[in-house]
Amino acid sequence: GEDVEQSLFLSVREGDSSVINCTYTDSSSTYLYWYKQEPGAGLQLLTYIFSNMDMKQDQRLTVLLNKKDKHLSLRIADTQTGDSAIYFCAVLQGGKLIFGQGTELSVKP
Amino acid sequence: NAGVTQTPKFRVLKTGQSMTLLCAQDMNHEYMYWYRQDPGMGLRLIHYSVGEGTTAKGEVPDGYNVSRLKKQNFLLGLESAAPSQTSVYFCASSPSGGAAQYFGPGTRLTVT
Repeated sequence: GEDVEQSLFLSVREGDSSVINCTYTDSSSTYLYWYKQEPGAGLQLLTYIFSNMDMKQDQRLTVLLNKKDKHLSLRIADTQTGDSAIYFCAVLQGGKLIFGQGTELSVKP
Repeated sequence: NAGVTQTPKFRVLKTGQSMTLLCAQDMNHEYMYWYRQDPGMGLRLIHYSVGEGTTAKGEVPDGYNVSRLKKQNFLLGLESAAPSQTSVYFCASSPSGGAAQYFGPGTRLTVT
């Protein structure tokens, strides 16, 4: 079945860019999502990209998709302390979402 | 709109007790899902439903049952709770199988 992998931790300074990476195994995945989870809360949909796209930009967020390498990334420009959270990559496969383990982003002032 | 709501927010059970978690959505979504979240493991799908009156097994269904008697509600039951079921449970809904899922705030369950 589908396997989705993320690194567990990322630490950046306020104002820097953050890049969170995700790899997946099933090339037939159609939609790929990024969710944000703040402490004690549910998952909030941040953005998504269709598999026929290479890039999607939404304000401070940029999603890059490399289908050949099955690699997805989320770039957050001008990272703020309020961006500190766990970020989950999720891949739609067979009508179900397969989640990575989540990357905990820590933003230091 | 309240979106997706979950009841209760917290619960402590003793081994062998039973309970039901309630999920409600007011977005008229067809699909609903139950996940569990454990440290370092992301979210794993327990059961899901593609419409009123239907249910299907996900990745980790053992020890759980579900029912979808009304379109807006999706219930998750634990008949005989075990410590391995200590987790945070999330409900989600989506308008279709290919659409983004919207999550509730979660239920933190501890089984002692």
